[in-house]
Amino acid sequence: GQSLEQPSEVTAVEGAIVQINCTYQTSGFYGLSWYQQHDGGAPTFLSYNGLDGLEETGRFSSFLSRSDSYGYLLLQELQMKDSASYFCAVPSGNTPLVFGKGTRLSVIA
Amino acid sequence: DVKVTQSSRYLVKRTGEKVFLECVQDMDHENMFWYRQDPGLGLRLIYFSYDVKMKEKGDIPEGYSVSREKKERFSLILESASTNQTSMYLCASSKQGYEQYFGPGTRLTVT
Repeated sequence: GQSLEQPSEVTAVEGAIVQINCTYQTSGFYGLSWYQQHDGGAPTFLSYNGLDGLEETGRFSSFLSRSDSYGYLLLQELQMKDSASYFCAVPSGNTPLVFGKGTRLSVIA
Repeated sequence: DVKVTQSSRYLVKRTGEKVFLECVQDMDHENMFWYRQDPGLGLRLIYFSYDVKMKEKGDIPEGYSVSREKKERFSLILESASTNQTSMYLCASSKQGYEQYFGPGTRLTVT
């Protein structure tokens, strides 16, 4: 089986840094993905960690520790447009991707 | 840019009706997926396909079937719609499983 845990809601101030954590339990592990979804929109792919360590893409970074079954998404210099839901996802067994329930990020002025 | 399109943004059907949701992608991706999304439950995989005429059950296939006659098209079928199938349905495609491209979604209401 597989399960992913991430906080349901996070609030942060514009310009600040926020970290969204994800812990997982899967049978077999191939990497951790992150997706962003704005209200009324479709999920869009943000990042993938196939190996331990930090991957940086502009203001967004993603980290993976396979020994701890843990990863996080780091958003820097928060902007109002970053208000969205963020999902971590892992492949598990025959299922190509299993998604967490999502973290709703609210950026406030 | 990858484009995934879905046949309808909003759909209202009656209980017992047969419902077809169509999805088309234009990037020659082998892999296609159907999810439903409900508040507090995240995205749950219904069916997926790695090739034409091939299908695999996801986590919640009951009450659904799929068809993939052409590489670019993946259809989700609700044989007899029920009210508990009211949901947002999202189609996705990918070349690699971890990077999926999603369509805009179909919000289906079954009354």
